[in-house]
Amino acid sequence: GAVVSQHPSWVICKSGTSVKIECRSLDFQATTMFWYRQFPKQSLMLMATSNEGSKATYEQGVEKDKFLINHASLTLSTLTVTSAHPEDSSFYICSALGDQETQYFGPGTRLLVL
Amino acid sequence: GNSVTQMEGPVTLSEEAFLTINCTYTATGYPSLFWYVQYPGEGLQLLLKATKADDKGSNKGFEATYRKETTSFHLEKGSVQVSDSAVYFCALINTNAGKSTFGDGTTLTVKP
Repeated sequence: GAVVSQHPSWVICKSGTSVKIECRSLDFQATTMFWYRQFPKQSLMLMATSNEGSKATYEQGVEKDKFLINHASLTLSTLTVTSAHPEDSSFYICSALGDQETQYFGPGTRLLVL
Repeated sequence: GNSVTQMEGPVTLSEEAFLTINCTYTATGYPSLFWYVQYPGEGLQLLLKATKADDKGSNKGFEATYRKETTSFHLEKGSVQVSDSAVYFCALINTNAGKSTFGDGTTLTVKP
């Protein structure tokens, strides 16, 4: 149980285009989901906290107009990278908050912006 | 704000050696503490957790005790195996504040 999927697993796009990443909790409902970027030296940076039915809470320094988050249902949150640029290339990971504050992570999405 | 500081790696040990990975934190309120592990080519997964002071989390031979007085949650294992080679992340969550904070990760390599 407690499986989280992400789609796509990798994506290559041209600079200036937008990319949508989906995060789904497959066998449980999650009021709260988190979005992270994982940098080459392994650290995870929390980008935003996504709550179903309300606006996401963004961390300091994360542009909310660039990284649009929509938590449309208790099993789906989406992250849209708008007008992507090469510096947005990264590994994006989502997690869904389950019982006892445990996070269940998706496998991640590798984004490469050319 | 919240922060998590964990021991820098990489850490290289021989099989059956004792492992300690230090983790200290700062947080408002009463966070829950976690160790997550990322095996090569896989996503992050929960290793163990503790939700209040003096709780001990344990799993797969790993242990960590929530020490409020020293704001620490050090990970230990008495005898590591090659299959324990992975990146280990210390993390806290403070759901009242909607905050999830991770340490930078420590890469462990266990050699036979």
